[in-house]
Amino acid sequence: DIQMTQSPSSLSTSVGDRVTITCRASQSIRSYLNWYQQKPGKAPTLLIYATSVLQNGVPSRFGGSGSGTDFTLSISSLQPEDVATYYCQQSYNFPYTFGQGTKLDI
Amino acid sequence: QVQLQQWGAGLLKPSETLSLSCVVNGESFSSFYWTWLRQPPGQGLEWIGEINHSGSTNYNPSLKGRVTLSIDTSKKQFSLSLISVTAADMAVYYCTRRPLRGGSYNWFDPWGQGTLVTVSS
Repeated sequence: DIQMTQSPSSLSTSVGDRVTITCRASQSIRSYLNWYQQKPGKAPTLLIYATSVLQNGVPSRFGGSGSGTDFTLSISSLQPEDVATYYCQQSYNFPYTFGQGTKLDI
Repeated sequence: QVQLQQWGAGLLKPSETLSLSCVVNGESFSSFYWTWLRQPPGQGLEWIGEINHSGSTNYNPSLKGRVTLSIDTSKKQFSLSLISVTAADMAVYYCTRRPLRGGSYNWFDPWGQGTLVTVSS
């Protein structure tokens, strides 16, 4: 299985901060990387797919980049509603696997 | 806008069978792989498996042998069965979908509301 490792596991931030979350794959996954946002008690929602494509309705302050084994989710100016746990997920091969999550607090 | 609504028993005893179903409202049923994932309390997400409209399946090897997915295209409904549950199977179970023809460009969207399954004697 491809192991996905996120860092940091948690992050205490402030409104307006620029936030960067990294995701590393145990082997190259080309650009087959997705990001999800999960708010407490809710199902995850798709944030970014194919490394850098924003899902419809996702604010432009979110961005994704990377390729191969190293990927980044960035939030240019953190808003209170961005408090959530963020997961990366590889779709390169089966079984699809997720990172362990990064919890953002304000 | 497509919505997924799931249901099933939330309390099981060890060795029993977990059964969950998910119904799809809206959009084409044949253009996607219909997927189950789970999330143990306080933990990350695990992909369980998927099924398409033809009944073709892919399973996570970690669960293979215990899991079966089925589909009823007439009802736009798909189901998960997991036999011989233990405490390790306690989790919130989610249904979702991924594009059928995306190659490796696959993503899960949207998701059902989740069902908490507790395993306790």
